[in-house]
Amino acid sequence: EPEVTQTPSHQVTQMGQEVILRCVPISNHLYFYWYRQILGQKVEFLVSFYNNEISEKSEIFDDQFSVERPDGSNFTLKIRSTKLEDSAMYFCASSSYMNTEAFFGQGTRLTVV
Amino acid sequence: RKEVEQDPGPFNVPEGATVAFNCTYSNSASQSFFWYRQDCRKEPKLLMSVYSSGNEDGRFTAQLNRASQYISLLIRDSKLSDSATYLCVVSRQTGANNLFFGTGTRLTVIP
Repeated sequence: EPEVTQTPSHQVTQMGQEVILRCVPISNHLYFYWYRQILGQKVEFLVSFYNNEISEKSEIFDDQFSVERPDGSNFTLKIRSTKLEDSAMYFCASSSYMNTEAFFGQGTRLTVV
Repeated sequence: RKEVEQDPGPFNVPEGATVAFNCTYSNSASQSFFWYRQDCRKEPKLLMSVYSSGNEDGRFTAQLNRASQYISLLIRDSKLSDSATYLCVVSRQTGANNLFFGTGTRLTVIP
């Protein structure tokens, strides 16, 4: 069964450092997403991506965040200068069409120290 | 008002019980509706999509009431493996490209 894969599973970084979280969406999907979940809280939308550009982003997705699809398979989330409050589980997801069910990767747990 | 509201629970039910979860959403233009389940520290996994006519998948039944902006999930004959957090998820109006998650309802099925 096709699945979304994310690497690394856990990343520890010092405050102020840049991190890149990587995702390989399901191969025939066209829409890609990043979500985050702070421990004990709900899943929050960060950004959606379609046709090589951002289609929507939330207030959380400020100038410190960027996304890229550097090749035909990878989808990355970069945080330029991490803050303590960026510590969370980051989920990548993909879907075939807009407004349809999204399939999630297993997540990257980011810990900023 | 939150986009999606759920009773956080927890719901503790014995094996074999029937349990129902409810969810309300605030945006009347919302187009698509889903139930996901999330195990502790894992990713959300799609349980089922919710259609206007209601739909059933084995022991799970989902209902949508657009007039009341209300979604429900019924689990019959609960199994220990049903213990998880159930997430109500709503997609905004046509043209929007994101999903809004409720806080989730925690279910524990007790032997």
